[in-house]
Amino acid sequence: GAVVSQHPSWVICKSGTSVKIECRSLDFQATTMFWYRQFPKQSLMLMATSNEGSKATYEQGVEKDKFLINHASLTLSTLTVTSAHPEDSSFYICSAREDISYNSPLHFGNGTRLTVT
Amino acid sequence: GEDVEQSLFLSVREGDSSVINCTYTDSSSTYLYWYKQEPGAGLQLLTYIFSNMDMKQDQRLTVLLNKKDKHLSLRIADTQTGDSAIYFCAEGVFYGNKLVFGAGTILRVKS
Repeated sequence: GAVVSQHPSWVICKSGTSVKIECRSLDFQATTMFWYRQFPKQSLMLMATSNEGSKATYEQGVEKDKFLINHASLTLSTLTVTSAHPEDSSFYICSAREDISYNSPLHFGNGTRLTVT
Repeated sequence: GEDVEQSLFLSVREGDSSVINCTYTDSSSTYLYWYKQEPGAGLQLLTYIFSNMDMKQDQRLTVLLNKKDKHLSLRIADTQTGDSAIYFCAEGVFYGNKLVFGAGTILRVKS
């Protein structure tokens, strides 16, 4: 089945620094990837849709200058949390669809746990 | 707007069946999904059902969809301790491009 890989699986950084998270589709090409955020004991919230070769589409309330998304190739999307603050500590999960059809399900990576000290 | 609701907690004995319920609001949902999340891990797709189906069975998993009532359920037969996890129901909106998740149901299996 389709595999989505995320790296790193966890990261600790100091307040004010930036952190980059990678999301890769290992055995398929993904023109669109999705970035979700999960707070402790809560559900997932869609942050943005990453589009290969064009700008990402952000959900309402998500700061695009804070969460930079780059989808430079058909197998890689990156999320950079800029000038991280403790409130950015969360579990970030990316997902991708195996083909462009809306009929195919989303496959998720294993997530990245970010802790900002 | 879109909303998905689930019961928060379910406890069953090993070997029993588990039924996790979910309700959703968007009648234009194309697909409905069940994902499993183990502690500290990402989401694992368990199964999904197209909105024009009533039932889907996959080994120990049975999904029932009542589109009229916008009710979805996941039945796990012969529940094992390894099934202990959080189960998320999600509906695909905007032609399935965006998933809206429920809060998750914590399933605890007692041996």
